[in-house]
Amino acid sequence: AQSVTQPDIHITVSEGASLELRCNYSYGATPYLFWYVQSPGQGLQLLLKYFSGDTLVQGIKGFEAEFKRSQSSFNLRKPSVHWSDAAEYFCALSGGYNKLIFGAGTRLAVHP
Amino acid sequence: DAGVIQSPRHEVTEMGQEVTLRCKPISGHNSLFWYRQTMMRGLELLIYFNNNVPIDDSGMPEDRFSAKMPNASFSTLKIQPSEPRDSAVYFCASSQRTSGKSTDTQYFGPGTRLTVL
Repeated sequence: AQSVTQPDIHITVSEGASLELRCNYSYGATPYLFWYVQSPGQGLQLLLKYFSGDTLVQGIKGFEAEFKRSQSSFNLRKPSVHWSDAAEYFCALSGGYNKLIFGAGTRLAVHP
Repeated sequence: DAGVIQSPRHEVTEMGQEVTLRCKPISGHNSLFWYRQTMMRGLELLIYFNNNVPIDDSGMPEDRFSAKMPNASFSTLKIQPSEPRDSAVYFCASSQRTSGKSTDTQYFGPGTRLTVL
């Protein structure tokens, strides 16, 4: 079965600290993986995507993610968090017909 | 580019009333998706169109929900009659399906927050 698991519902970090948001997936073939960010009252904005090739992908706003097939993971990272990064982050898997399967999301709070 | 446009942004209605949500995809995109976001179920795909044709409506919860795409620049999601459990944020997304694979990036609209009293 295709699924995406984001183990952390809430994460709080201090501004300037590093960040890692976890994402694990279950998929029977080559996964196409995405990270989206949702600010309060807004739609989802694409941060980055992995289709193939280099397992470390760079995205917007200083985010990066690493695909690890052996661990079925696609964790999102940022070396130094800014207060404006406070939002909800969704990992997603693209299944058949472009169908996106989303994780439950991780809500990030940033302390000054 | 204006991005995906949804209207209205907020809708409050009473149980039993008909609700119509509207979406204008990004110009040139040929795939359109309707999603629903709730606290209990998260983000779930309701229906997917390709070249204005519904491809997968397995996520539509019941017959009270219907979706149409009369042309490449407009889609509607209708709920009739509405119920309190339909309260959610409804997102429309579009993409340019070129490769035939599941790699096309979906761009999301701002959503419509529906409250059914």
